[in-house]
Amino acid sequence: AQSVSQHNHHVILSEAASLELGCNYSYGGTVNLFWYVQYPGQHLQLLLKYFSGDPLVKGIKGFEAEFIKSKFSFNLRKPSVQWSDTAEYFCAVNANTGGFKTIFGAGTRLFVKA
Amino acid sequence: GAGVSQSPRYKVAKRGQDVALRCDPISGHVSLFWYQQALGQGPEFLTYFQNEAQLDKSGLPSDRFFAERPEGSVSTLKIQRTQQEDSAVYLCASSLVADLSYEQYFGPGTRLTVT
Repeated sequence: AQSVSQHNHHVILSEAASLELGCNYSYGGTVNLFWYVQYPGQHLQLLLKYFSGDPLVKGIKGFEAEFIKSKFSFNLRKPSVQWSDTAEYFCAVNANTGGFKTIFGAGTRLFVKA
Repeated sequence: GAGVSQSPRYKVAKRGQDVALRCDPISGHVSLFWYQQALGQGPEFLTYFQNEAQLDKSGLPSDRFFAERPEGSVSTLKIQRTQQEDSAVYLCASSLVADLSYEQYFGPGTRLTVT
C-alpha cells in the first residue's frame, strides 16, 4: 500500500540548531514529493517540492530537501532554525499516473525555543 | 488575490444529521481536492475534481459521503447520517492545472464535530 512515514512526531530545538526531519515513502513509479508547513493559526502551505531534475531542492525560508531514490527518502533540512520555524511539517507524495491521490505523512510538530 | 475559502469554519452536528461543507477554490483553478484530517494525523485524500468532473473518489470512506462541483468552481462535500467517526477537519485544496506536480493551495478547513 502507498504510504508516507515521518519518523519524528515531535521535535524541540533551540534557536540556531540544525534541523533534519525524516520522510520515507512507499509508492511505485515516478513520484512527486512535497513538504508542506502549517504555521500556528495558518493554512497548510508549500515549503518545497521535487518532481524531476536536481535531487537537492531548495525552498522558502532557507529550507532544503534531498530526494534519495534508492532509499525512498525525502528528508527536510535547515542549517539554523529560528523561533519563527515553529510549525507542523508534512511530507507528501503523489504521482501523475494511476489516480489523483496525494498521500500525506502524519506530520512532525517542531517547537523552537527562543 | 483571494485564496481558498471554506464555510462554515466550524460545524457541530448531532449524530444522524446531514451536513454540507462548502469550498470556494482560487478562481481559474482546474483541480480541486478534498481531504479529511483526524486529530494528530496528516490530511487523508477523499476525492478529486478536474473542472466539474469527479475523476477520483477512491478515498471517500462510505456511500454516506458525496461531493460535487457542478460548474467547475465551487464544490460541496455532503455527509449524510453523520457518525462520531466523521469528526475531523475537512480540508479543501485547489491547484492551477491537472498536473499533480503543481502546488496545492489549501483552505482553512471546516472542523466538524459530531455529538
